[in-house]
Amino acid sequence: AQSVAQPEDQVNVAEGNPLTVKCTYSVSGNPYLFWYVQYPNRGLQFLLKYITGDNLVKGSYGFEAEFNKSQTSFHLKKPSALVSDSALYFCAVRDRGRGSTLGRLYFGRGTQLTVWP
Amino acid sequence: GAGVSQSPSNKVTEKGKDVELRCDPISGHTALYWYRQRLGQGLEFLIYFQGNSAPDKSGLPSDRFSAERTGESVSTLTIQRTQQEDSAVYLCASSLAPGQTDTQYFGPGTRLTVL
Repeated sequence: AQSVAQPEDQVNVAEGNPLTVKCTYSVSGNPYLFWYVQYPNRGLQFLLKYITGDNLVKGSYGFEAEFNKSQTSFHLKKPSALVSDSALYFCAVRDRGRGSTLGRLYFGRGTQLTVWP
Repeated sequence: GAGVSQSPSNKVTEKGKDVELRCDPISGHTALYWYRQRLGQGLEFLIYFQGNSAPDKSGLPSDRFSAERTGESVSTLTIQRTQQEDSAVYLCASSLAPGQTDTQYFGPGTRLTVL
């Protein structure tokens, strides 16, 4: 079974400092990996995804994520945090292959990022 | 262009009542998904529609939950005889094609409160 772990419920960083939101996964085979962000009372917004190729993926709002196959991790990073980055971040994985059950995303529990001025 | 829309945005109902939640996917998106987000939890997959194929219903938590989709357009999620544990935000997403690389785009959700 697929599973996603976000080991930190909360991450607090000062504005201007680099931020990392961690994600590890446990899947059979090589999955597709996604990051989404959720602002209060809003739906999820897509940030970035890893499909294949370069392990460093760049996404929206200056975020990037690094796929590490040996550590089965896909940590989200940003070199310089903004107060407006404060939100709930979700990591998700999706099966690679064929079959009717491959549409779903498996989500982590989310990490609340707070960037203080 | 227009994103995924859902209605109502909020729904308060009494235990035992039936509710219907609606999702309008992005035009041209063939795949549609329903997820449930309970307070403090990640998203839980409910059901997945892809074109005319049989839907993947494996995430529906009980037979009180059902969903329909008309062609490649609107979908409705129905919860019969609602229970308090059904209280959650119900999120709909759509994607362009069935490939696993395709990004799912989410609507704003319907917040369901069962009293």
